[in-house]
Amino acid sequence: AQSVTQLDSQVPVFEEAPVELRCNYSSSVSVYLFWYVQYPNQGLQLLLKYLSGSTLVKGINGFEAEFNKSQTSFHLRKPSVHISDTAEYFCAVSLIQGAQKLVFGQGTRLTINP
Amino acid sequence: EADIYQTPRYLVIGTGKKITLECSQTMGHDKMYWYQQDPGMELHLIHYSYGVNSTEKGDLSSESTVSRIRTEHFPLTLESARPSHTSQYLCASSAGLLGEKLFFGSGTQLSVL
Repeated sequence: AQSVTQLDSQVPVFEEAPVELRCNYSSSVSVYLFWYVQYPNQGLQLLLKYLSGSTLVKGINGFEAEFNKSQTSFHLRKPSVHISDTAEYFCAVSLIQGAQKLVFGQGTRLTINP
Repeated sequence: EADIYQTPRYLVIGTGKKITLECSQTMGHDKMYWYQQDPGMELHLIHYSYGVNSTEKGDLSSESTVSRIRTEHFPLTLESARPSHTSQYLCASSAGLLGEKLFFGSGTQLSVL
């Protein structure tokens, strides 16, 4: 079975500073990788996804993530954050074959300080 | 524009009551899901459906049940609520070939006293 570990439960950063949210996964077979964002009092939204091809994927709101197969990681980055980026971020994986159910990490709370 | 609705947004109820959490989507998606989320914890899949009259239990055991009589509707029912059922319940749907682009509702925060 696959699993996802988000290494930081909370990440506080100052506005306009860079940020990296870490995600590691475990799976015996190939997976697809995703980052979702949950703004306060809203549902989850897809930020970006890696299915195949270039290991650097770009998403909405200036976020990007890099798939590293050897390190089984899919870290999320943004070079300069804004107050509006304050949210909960979830990393998720799904099997390439079989039931396409998503397995989520426990989430990382990103707090932007002015 | 994605439209998936969950009602109620908040529910506070006493132990032993029967409750139904509603989830509807207007996108014609075949796949629908229920996730449970406790504060600071990961989402857990508790039920999913790949179409009408198809329901499966997810990775986390749950005392709740679901039904899928219509494509757009995927209600979740607890026959007898208990304090241990207090949690946030998120409904989602997807239609991609890979099923990966999920659209989530805003969730129902359930508190059982």
